[in-house]
Amino acid sequence: EAAVTQSPRNKVAVTGGKVTLSCNQTNNHNNMYWYRQDTGHGLRLIHYSYGAGSTEKGDIPDGYKASRPSQENFSLILELATPSQTSVYFCASGDWGEQYFGPGTRLTVL
Amino acid sequence: QEKVQQSPESLIVPEGAMVSLNCSFSDSASQSIWWYQQHPGKGPKALISIFSNGNKKEGRLTVYLNRASLHVSLHIKDSQPSDSAVYLCAVISNTGYQNFYFGKGTSLTVIP
Repeated sequence: EAAVTQSPRNKVAVTGGKVTLSCNQTNNHNNMYWYRQDTGHGLRLIHYSYGAGSTEKGDIPDGYKASRPSQENFSLILELATPSQTSVYFCASGDWGEQYFGPGTRLTVL
Repeated sequence: QEKVQQSPESLIVPEGAMVSLNCSFSDSASQSIWWYQQHPGKGPKALISIFSNGNKKEGRLTVYLNRASLHVSLHIKDSQPSDSAVYLCAVISNTGYQNFYFGKGTSLTVIP
C-alpha cells in the first residue's frame, strides 16, 4: 500500500516565524499535493507538484511556498506564519486518480 | 473551479442501517468521482470511485453517478460502528491534471 509520511505531526509556531512542513512518499508517484483542512471549508489545495523540481500553485497559495527537491520529498514553507494559518495540513501523492494521504500535521500559530 | 456540495452534514444511524450520502458537483465534464473515508486524527483514505454513469458495487458499498443531474451518491449497506467517520466526496477536475476538489464532508455516526 502507498505510504506517505509527514513531519512534524504537531507544531506550535509564533507569528512571524518560519515553518517548514515535510512530506515523504515511497511509492514513486510523480504527483504530490499539499492541502489544509479547516472546519467549514473541507480540504483545500495549496500547492502541488508534477515531479522533482516542479511546484505549482493550487487554489489558496498565498502565504505559502513549496519545494520538491526529489521524487520522494515535498515541503511546504510558511516564511512568515500568521494565526490564520493555524490548521491541519495534509500531504498526498498519487498518479492516475487515487490520492494517498499522510497522517497530517496540526499547526498552531500563536 | 469545480464546486462540490455534500449532504447531509451529519447523520446518526443504528447499527445495521442502510446509509445514503449525497454529493453534487458543478462540472459535467469532470473526470472521475471518488469517495474518501476519514477517521478522527487520520488522513483521508480512498473507498471507491466511479467514472461512468450508472452504479458500481464493492462489498457493502454502492455508488451511483448521474452526470446529467450532476449528482453522485454513496450507499453503505449493513452499517457498522467502525463505519463511523467523515465521508468526503472528491471530483477530479477536467483541466488536464489530476487535481481533486473536495466537498466539506458528511459526518456519520453508527450507534451499536
